[in-house]
Amino acid sequence: DQQVKQNSPSLSVQEGRISILNCDYTNSMFDYFLWYKKYPAEGPTFLISISSIKDKNEDGRFTVFLNKSAKHLSLHIVPSQPGDSAVYFCAASALNDDKIIFGKGTRLHILP
Amino acid sequence: EPEVTQTPSHQVTQMGQEVILRCVPISNHLYFYWYRQILGQKVEFLVSFYNNEISEKSEIFDDQFSVERPDGSNFTLKIRSTKLEDSAMYFCASSELKRGGYNEQFFGPGTRLTVL
Repeated sequence: DQQVKQNSPSLSVQEGRISILNCDYTNSMFDYFLWYKKYPAEGPTFLISISSIKDKNEDGRFTVFLNKSAKHLSLHIVPSQPGDSAVYFCAASALNDDKIIFGKGTRLHILP
Repeated sequence: EPEVTQTPSHQVTQMGQEVILRCVPISNHLYFYWYRQILGQKVEFLVSFYNNEISEKSEIFDDQFSVERPDGSNFTLKIRSTKLEDSAMYFCASSELKRGGYNEQFFGPGTRLTVL
């Protein structure tokens, strides 16, 4: 039951360049989307979110884009920094649901 | 900055034994959650808790699991009779708002449960 799919298990990007992490979802009832970042031995840390009524949300170096018709969202990190190396989880929730549904994650490596 | 804390960081137990995982949510948060991540798999929702009762639970959260807020600060997950397949990282989370707000859930560092 993969309602939230991250098809790239890993991604390597040169420091200073743009990192683009992709996510697809299947449940049209999702109305809120989130990105979490996780370092080893730590819990997921909230990064940025977007409501389904928007198509873009920006916070500093992080921008999330939502394409509802394609059921696709992406996280852009620019410029990428060494501290961005982590696992990034795409997640979604539906109105009146408590739970967050997570994707499997994408491990981002920022190369020097 | 306030954070969610969890103890212990690692728990090893024998199959069939009871375990209690502990969490201290962020102090002004009203909604509490447990998630788990089996090695190599995705983070999965187990249960949410509000106003001293379960708000929502997943299929995973069967009769072997229970949650409790025994005092004003702790939030616990009990597994009555552990099975090998309960081995996972268990994350506690808390949020100030429910749906309709940001639903931003703050996660603790996790407890790694190993069932032998």
